[in-house]
Amino acid sequence: DQQVKQNSPSLSVQEGRISILNCDYTNSMFDYFLWYKKYPAEGPTFLISISSIKDKNEDGRFTVFLNKSAKHLSLHIVPSQPGDSAVYFCAARDFGNEKLTFGTGTRLTIIP
Amino acid sequence: DAEITQSPRHKITETGRQVTLACHQTWNHNNMFWYRQDLGHGLRLIHYSYGVQDTNKGEVSDGYSVSRSNTEDLPLTLESAASSQTSVYFCASSDVVTDTQYFGPGTRLTVL
Repeated sequence: DQQVKQNSPSLSVQEGRISILNCDYTNSMFDYFLWYKKYPAEGPTFLISISSIKDKNEDGRFTVFLNKSAKHLSLHIVPSQPGDSAVYFCAARDFGNEKLTFGTGTRLTIIP
Repeated sequence: DAEITQSPRHKITETGRQVTLACHQTWNHNNMFWYRQDLGHGLRLIHYSYGVQDTNKGEVSDGYSVSRSNTEDLPLTLESAASSQTSVYFCASSDVVTDTQYFGPGTRLTVL
């Protein structure tokens, strides 16, 4: 049972445009959500997070939106740059628990 | 600088052999995790530890074991390697201050 789902295995976006990566979850106990970025032959690196008490969090070109009623979050990257080409994982955690549940990842390719 | 390292980075072994993957962190984090990454499955939790002498099973723990004798290390042992355990393995660490997990560079394991 996949509790965190990323339904798009891949996404291609023109450089300079907005990239939108989506994530859905089924466990209503999740209260903290994270996005990780992964380059080939490297470990995932933390990108941005959001608590369930918020609906938006921004960090530079990256913004995460959370819609709790729809159990959906999205990562917006604007403007997209070639260095953003990577696999992006959505992850979730429930209160008082340090374990993360990851989605299957979305491969983002930025076209110059 | 504090870091998390994994060794070896690549390993080829035969079915039935015992294999141990090392994970060492200098962050002084209490929490440590082992994941495996497979196409179509994302990152799945194998085992985790919240402190010395504490170990817990994750969602795909069969055939794996861990031990935590100090804060810095959480070695992962495959008791009798199987071809289904061919994967990329990531170690991660965290604590309540960081509020996120930091990942090592990964070990690519091939079981022939």
